[in-house]
Amino acid sequence: AQSVTQLDSHVSVSEGTPVLLRCNYSSSYSPSLFWYVQHPNKGLQLLLKYTSAATLVKGINGFEAEFKKSETSFHLTKPSAHMSDAAEYFCAILGGGYNKLIFGAGTRLAVHP
Amino acid sequence: EADIYQTPRYLVIGTGKKITLECSQTMGHDKMYWYQQDPGMELHLIHYSYGVNSTEKGDLSSESTVSRIRTEHFPLTLESARPSHTSQYLCASPLGAKNIQYFGAGTRLSVL
Repeated sequence: AQSVTQLDSHVSVSEGTPVLLRCNYSSSYSPSLFWYVQHPNKGLQLLLKYTSAATLVKGINGFEAEFKKSETSFHLTKPSAHMSDAAEYFCAILGGGYNKLIFGAGTRLAVHP
Repeated sequence: EADIYQTPRYLVIGTGKKITLECSQTMGHDKMYWYQQDPGMELHLIHYSYGVNSTEKGDLSSESTVSRIRTEHFPLTLESARPSHTSQYLCASPLGAKNIQYFGAGTRLSVL
């Protein structure tokens, strides 16, 4: 069965410093992985996706993620945090017979001036 | 991007009331999903549909029901709302062969 584990429930960074949000996955076959962002009182917005093409995936707002099969990881990074990046981030894997998304518990990113 | 519309965005209602949360998409997608997100928690699938007259329960047991009479609409109904139903309900639909799911803005439900 597919699953994802987000290793940090909270991450706090200063504006202008790098962001690293960690996600490990478990899958019996080649996975499709996603990062979504959720701003307060908003729905989920797709940041980026990995669907067995290039292992380094670029998304919106300067975010990118690298698929590492050997480490079963799909960590999200950004070189320089902005205040507007403060939000909840969810890692998800496509799984199940009906193509549902299986979500991690989320990482709340705080960005300080 | 897929356009998924959910109404209402916010709903505060008393116990015992019947409510319907609307979800619609204008892209003619067959697959639609409802996820539930309790405050501060991850999302869990509660219902899905592969097309008209097709509805199935998801992973998380829910007292809500859904219908799919038309391709573009996938409403969720609670016959008798309870405080335990307080949550955010998110509707999604996949776009393209890769099944990339796009979400509506969600309905934040509070049952008093």
